[in-house]
Order: sequence, then C-alpha cells, then structure tokens
Amino acid sequence: GQQLNQSPQSMFIQEGEDVSMNCTSSSIFNTWLWYKQDPGEGPVLLIALYKAGELTSNGRLTAQFGITRKDSFLNISASIPSDVGIYFCAGPTGNRDDKIIFGKGTRLHILP
Amino acid sequence: NAGVTQTPKFRVLKTGQSMTLLCAQDMNHEYMYWYRQDPGMGLRLIHYSVGEGTTAKGEVPDGYNVSRLKKQNFLLGLESAAPSQTSVYFCASSSWFEQYFGPGTRLTVT
Repeated sequence: GQQLNQSPQSMFIQEGEDVSMNCTSSSIFNTWLWYKQDPGEGPVLLIALYKAGELTSNGRLTAQFGITRKDSFLNISASIPSDVGIYFCAGPTGNRDDKIIFGKGTRLHILP
Repeated sequence: NAGVTQTPKFRVLKTGQSMTLLCAQDMNHEYMYWYRQDPGMGLRLIHYSVGEGTTAKGEVPDGYNVSRLKKQNFLLGLESAAPSQTSVYFCASSSWFEQYFGPGTRLTVT
C-alpha cells in the first residue's frame, strides 16, 4: 500500500539553526500536508500544498511540493524553543474518500 | 469556535471493561475520523465517517465500533478493552483533505 517515509526520524539542533526535513513516497500524491504535534497535544495543520513545484510559507516555515509529486520538503528558519515537537507529512490516499495517510514523523529537539 | 473537542482526556480501564469516547466538532464538517497514536507508529486510522449515519473501517478497526448519529458527533466504542488498546486516541474532522484534530484521549488498559 501507499507509504510516506519521513527523514530524518529525529533531529537535535541548536537554537537559531535552520532545519530541513523531507517526506517521500513511491506513489504520486496530488496534495501534501504538513502537521506539527506539540507534546501532549493533537496535530495542527501547518501548510497545505496542492500544486507540483509549489512553494508555500507560513512565518518561518516553508514547504515545497516536489516536482515529481513523490516528495515534499519542510524547512524551518532560525529555530526557536517552541519549534520542538513532531512534524508529520500527510497526503490523500487518492480513493476519493477524504482519507489521508501520515508519515511516522520527524521529532525535532532543540538543544539549549 | 471550539473546533474539535474530545471527552474524556484521560481514562484507565481494566481488561474487559467497555467505554465510549466522544468527539464533537463545530465546523459543520462532513468527514470525521478516529486515529490511534502509539510510539514509533505514527497515526493509524481506526474508523471514519463521510457523513451523518455512515461509518467505514480504517487501517486498524478490530476491537472498536463507531457511530455517527449526528453530524457534529462521532463516537468510538471499545466493547471489551484489551491492554493492546492502550494508546492515545485522536479525533479529526475535515471538509476536504485538511483535517483538524482534537486534543486527544489518553487511554490505559490494565
């Protein structure tokens, strides 16, 4: 079945550093979604991408819809402590039932 | 707007007990979902609904039942809880692909 592979699984960075993570699939996706989950909370939608090649920003976050439609990237600039959490990519299964599948997440840790 | 709310936030059950988790949304969304989240496993879909009165199985439906009697509510039931159902349960709703999640219910089955 369809799978989304996220890398890296976890990251340890210094405050102020830029962060890059990606999500890949063997299948084509027509929509890419990026979510963030804070500890003890539900996932929150950060960015939605609907067009191949699209680059969309939300504050310090920028996400890109890969031109092959099989990948997407999320960058965070000048990280701050509240960026800590798990970042999930997600995309629709393509079965016209509004289901989406999630990657297993990238866990971001920020060192003091 | 409250968005998506879940009741209760925490629950401890003994093996064999039953319980119902309630999800409510005030965004008039047609679609609602129940997920479970386990360490290292990401989010796995249990059941979902594409409208009032409809339900369908997701990836891991065994041991769970659901009902969607009203558009704004989606109930998840465990008839006979097992330790393997210890998890964090999230409800979500959407009008298209952009799903909005509740705060979660942490369930422990002993």
